[in-house]
Amino acid sequence: QVQLQESGPGLVKASQTLSLTCTVSGGSISSGGYYWNWIRQPPGKGLEWIGFISYSGNTIYNPSLKSRFTISLDTSKNQFSLSLNSVTAADTAVYFCAKDKDASGVGTFDYWGQGTLVTVSS
Amino acid sequence: DIVMTQSPDSLAVSLGERATINCKSSQSVLHSPNNKNYVTWYQQKPGQPPKLLIYWASTRESGVPDRFSGSGSGTDFTLTISGLQAEDVAVYYCQQFYNTPYTFGQGTKLEIK
Repeated sequence: QVQLQESGPGLVKASQTLSLTCTVSGGSISSGGYYWNWIRQPPGKGLEWIGFISYSGNTIYNPSLKSRFTISLDTSKNQFSLSLNSVTAADTAVYFCAKDKDASGVGTFDYWGQGTLVTVSS
Repeated sequence: DIVMTQSPDSLAVSLGERATINCKSSQSVLHSPNNKNYVTWYQQKPGQPPKLLIYWASTRESGVPDRFSGSGSGTDFTLTISGLQAEDVAVYYCQQFYNTPYTFGQGTKLEIK
């Protein structure tokens, strides 16, 4: 049973860089051909896909988010990470990490972390 | 980007009755080579992450009760909950994975009447 757990600061000041990590247990992040995703949800609002990183380190991002995001992979720790620079209040959200259901990046998410709330303060 | 539009925004249904949620995509999400519709449905309860219910528009995820069913093709899709139970109170989202960026509908809040 795969489990994902997000970690990171709950409060970030505007204009600074936000860094979050997703730790995967119950399976290797670099085997199976799966893709690993970040998705966010502003309080009381809907879901927004941020991007994914493949098992081999290839990334695709949501172009609507203007290239402020970076997703990276640390296979030695079985983790993948999200970095967001120049944060604003609009980046306040619950950030989820999620696993693709099938290999090769199908885009359906079968395992999710519990989510971590990040608040951007002025 | 493909825009996913759900209707209604909220819905109140009596216990044991049927709930129907609609989702319309701004372009077809039917992949002709494999004849599959690239639509997923999720259920999200307060304070929890979304839970995968249906993928390929109509394939039920393992462990999901059979009262949940998905249908539709092309641009119009439906999630049906037959015999609503109290634990089905949640927000339901459709999502397209036909291409990136993957996009979600705005959500439909389901309550008990």
